[in-house]
Amino acid sequence: EAGVVQSPRYKIIEKKQPVAFWCNPISGHNTLYWYRQNLGQGPELLIRYENEEAVDDSQLPKDRFSAERLKGVDSTLKIQPAELGDSAVYLCASSLDPPPSGKNIQYFGAGTRLSVL
Amino acid sequence: RKEVEQDPGPFNVPEGATVAFNCTYSNSASQSFFWYRQDCRKEPKLLMSVYSSGNEDGRFTAQLNRASQYISLLIRDSKLSDSATYLCVVKKNTGNQFYFGTGTSLTVIP
Repeated sequence: EAGVVQSPRYKIIEKKQPVAFWCNPISGHNTLYWYRQNLGQGPELLIRYENEEAVDDSQLPKDRFSAERLKGVDSTLKIQPAELGDSAVYLCASSLDPPPSGKNIQYFGAGTRLSVL
Repeated sequence: RKEVEQDPGPFNVPEGATVAFNCTYSNSASQSFFWYRQDCRKEPKLLMSVYSSGNEDGRFTAQLNRASQYISLLIRDSKLSDSATYLCVVKKNTGNQFYFGTGTSLTVIP
């Protein structure tokens, strides 16, 4: 079974340009997460979806970041305009909630490494 | 105060050594606990869940101390392939939000 798929793997843009990331979660997973990970830090949540509803976007910088999860499956995260400080790895994760047995487990995609010049 | 705190290291240990990492969490309502492993330039992957009674998986032992609000990971007989960053992850008992520590960097030296 395919894992969480993200694209692109790498993106280099100039500041003030827009950029978009795409994520396809594991089939059947209803919860989808977008994280940002800076070098030497752990992932920090940007937004969490339960099906198509954004249930936690308190850490999403809404002046420039937006996300959507139409139909409750794949999701896109957009930054417009990008700033130098947005350079990071953007990770998507998914989970099945409630879990069929045991504990909630998140599965991560390989991430998109963004460099803003 | 951060939800989850870890010593970032780095820990440099020789092959065959035993190494332990600790992690503290701030919210006593936390319910689920995990250790994730992250290789350089790769995504985090679940290493093991942490159960209240402690649990072992081969050379890895995880323990939870709810009274002191800390979690530990013990690695015995370290292998070169254990070199990675180990992320402590905590989930509260409401909602599906996971909190990550900064990670502890481990390098196993030949």
